[in-house]
Amino acid sequence: AQSVAQPEDQVNVAEGNPLTVKCTYSVSGNPYLFWYVQYPNRGLQFLLKYITGDNLVKGSYGFEAEFNKSQTSFHLKKPSALVSDSALYFCAVRVFSGNTPLVFGKGTRLSVIA
Amino acid sequence: EAGVTQFPSHSVIEKGQTVTLRCDPISGHDNLYWYRRVMGKEIKFLLHFVKESKQDESGMPNNRFLAERTGGTYSTLKVQPAELEDSGVYFCASSPGTGGNQPQHFGDGTRLSIL
Repeated sequence: AQSVAQPEDQVNVAEGNPLTVKCTYSVSGNPYLFWYVQYPNRGLQFLLKYITGDNLVKGSYGFEAEFNKSQTSFHLKKPSALVSDSALYFCAVRVFSGNTPLVFGKGTRLSVIA
Repeated sequence: EAGVTQFPSHSVIEKGQTVTLRCDPISGHDNLYWYRRVMGKEIKFLLHFVKESKQDESGMPNNRFLAERTGGTYSTLKVQPAELEDSGVYFCASSPGTGGNQPQHFGDGTRLSIL
């Protein structure tokens, strides 16, 4: 069975500092990995994805994520946090085949403090 | 292009009543998914339509939930009768028909509160 773990419920970071939101996954097969962000009272907004190829993927709003197969991780990063990055972040995985549903982590709330 | 639209944005009903949620996917998207997030927990898959056919309904909690997608366009999710544990945010998502690497596009969700 597929699963995603986001070990931190909350991440606090000062504005201008680098941020990392952690994600590990478990799948049988090759994974497709995604990060989504949710702002208050809004739906999930796609940030970036890893399908194949370069392990470092770049996405919207200056975010990037690194796929590490040996550690089964897909941590989300940003070199310099903004207050406007404060939101709820979800990591998700699907198996490499078809339009199967996403399996989500429980989410990590990021607070960027000015 | 217009995004995924969900209606209503918020619904408050009493236990035992019926509620119907609606989702309008992005035009041309064959795949339509329903998910639910109970407060503080993971977003859980409910079911998946490909056009008008149910591809996977393994996540539906029980037979009080009925989903339809007549004509392969918008979808409805009916809860009848509603129970307290049905409270949560119901998300709809859609994606194109080709390629599993396409991201799913989500609506803003319907917040359902059962009293």
